Amino acid sequence: AQTVTQSQPEMSVQEAETVTLSCTYDTSESDYYLFWYKQPPSRQMILVIRQEAYKQQNATENRFSVNFQKAAKSFSLKISDSQLGDAAMYFCAYTGNNRKLIWGLGTSLAVNP
Amino acid sequence: DTGVSQNPRHKITKRGQNVTFRCDPISEHNRLYWYRQTLGQGPEFLTYFQNEAQLEKSRLLSDRFSAERPKGSFSTLEIQRTEQGDSAMYLCASSSYEGRGNTEAFFGQGTRLTVV
Repeated sequence: AQTVTQSQPEMSVQEAETVTLSCTYDTSESDYYLFWYKQPPSRQMILVIRQEAYKQQNATENRFSVNFQKAAKSFSLKISDSQLGDAAMYFCAYTGNNRKLIWGLGTSLAVNP
Repeated sequence: DTGVSQNPRHKITKRGQNVTFRCDPISEHNRLYWYRQTLGQGPEFLTYFQNEAQLEKSRLLSDRFSAERPKGSFSTLEIQRTEQGDSAMYLCASSSYEGRGNTEAFFGQGTRLTVV
């Protein structure tokens, strides 16, 4: 069975600085997708960034980028120039052949002014 | 608003009562998912539909839980004889599945259930 592990329950960063959130996963599938979702206090899940496993190039979306290490089954999220609005729970998620999302436990990110 | 809509947003019920939640997905999306999330945890998969067919149901979903998606449009999740352990946020998501290749799952704002 597939699993997703986020080993950092809480992280904090100073405004304008860079922070990296860690995620590892386990799967025997070769075709899959990885995601980072953000869940602010309003509780609506918002997709931050997506990575297709067959793509070697790391995905980037503005201030958000990933470091995808397929062999190590690692998928970390880097947030550059952190803003107060980045404060939220961040979930790493995996989807494979059956397309349902498998989630990590989340990392609570605080941004300090 | 063309996003995923969930109703009600909040529901307080007495233990033993039945409750029903509704999810209206993005209209062109053929897949619809239900997840449950408790405080401090990530979402847990409950079930999903492709069009009107329920393709998978988690072992977490006891026989008190039933979900339907008639006509492949909106979906309902019913919990019978609610228990305090059912208190959680129930999240609905939809996506467009076209064989190989995955698209983003869009989430609703959730229905927060409190069983007293």
